[in-house]
Amino acid sequence: EAEVAQSPRYKITEKSQAVAFWCDPISGHATLYWYRQILGQGPELLVQFQDESVVDDSQLPKDRFSAERLKGVDSTLKIQPAELGDSAMYLCASSFGGIQYFGAGTRLSVL
Amino acid sequence: GIQVEQSPPDLILQEGANSTLRCNFSDSVNNLQWFHQNPWGQLINLFYIPSGTKQNGRLSATTVATERYSLLYISSSQTTDSGVYFCAVRDTGRRALTFGSGTRLQVQP
Repeated sequence: EAEVAQSPRYKITEKSQAVAFWCDPISGHATLYWYRQILGQGPELLVQFQDESVVDDSQLPKDRFSAERLKGVDSTLKIQPAELGDSAMYLCASSFGGIQYFGAGTRLSVL
Repeated sequence: GIQVEQSPPDLILQEGANSTLRCNFSDSVNNLQWFHQNPWGQLINLFYIPSGTKQNGRLSATTVATERYSLLYISSSQTTDSGVYFCAVRDTGRRALTFGSGTRLQVQP
């Protein structure tokens, strides 16, 4: 069964360092999402792509976060510089036919 | 934006018991999904159910879109059902999902 791939699974970094997360959606899924999940809460959208175009980044803290999907396939989410409050699970999803499928996530700890 | 409320927030069951989880939403939706988040953080699709009723093994779900709620039924619960259950909706003005805060289920042997 096809899956959304994410890496790394875990990342520990120090405050003010740069971090990057990678996502490869299910083949053929044109829509890709990055969500952030703080412990004890539901995921919240950071950015949504349709092919290589950003369609919603209204909740993305653009002073430190950036996201790209250059060829409309895989995607990278970057944080620079990381802050203590960025510690969370970062989830990638892709969708087809209205149904979203999630990857296993990257758990980020900022020390 | 749309509001999603889930109840109860926490639930403890003995193995074999049945349960009902509820999801209320504040506006019309064109997508509703139920997920189970396992202890490792993976969100597993349970149902895509913007309206109507579906069943999959011991799980079933019903969405009454006109009354803005959905129910997830778990029958004969097992310890492997433990985790957090999320309801997520997409309203007509948005493309991404809005999640509730989840129901944390613990099934004890």
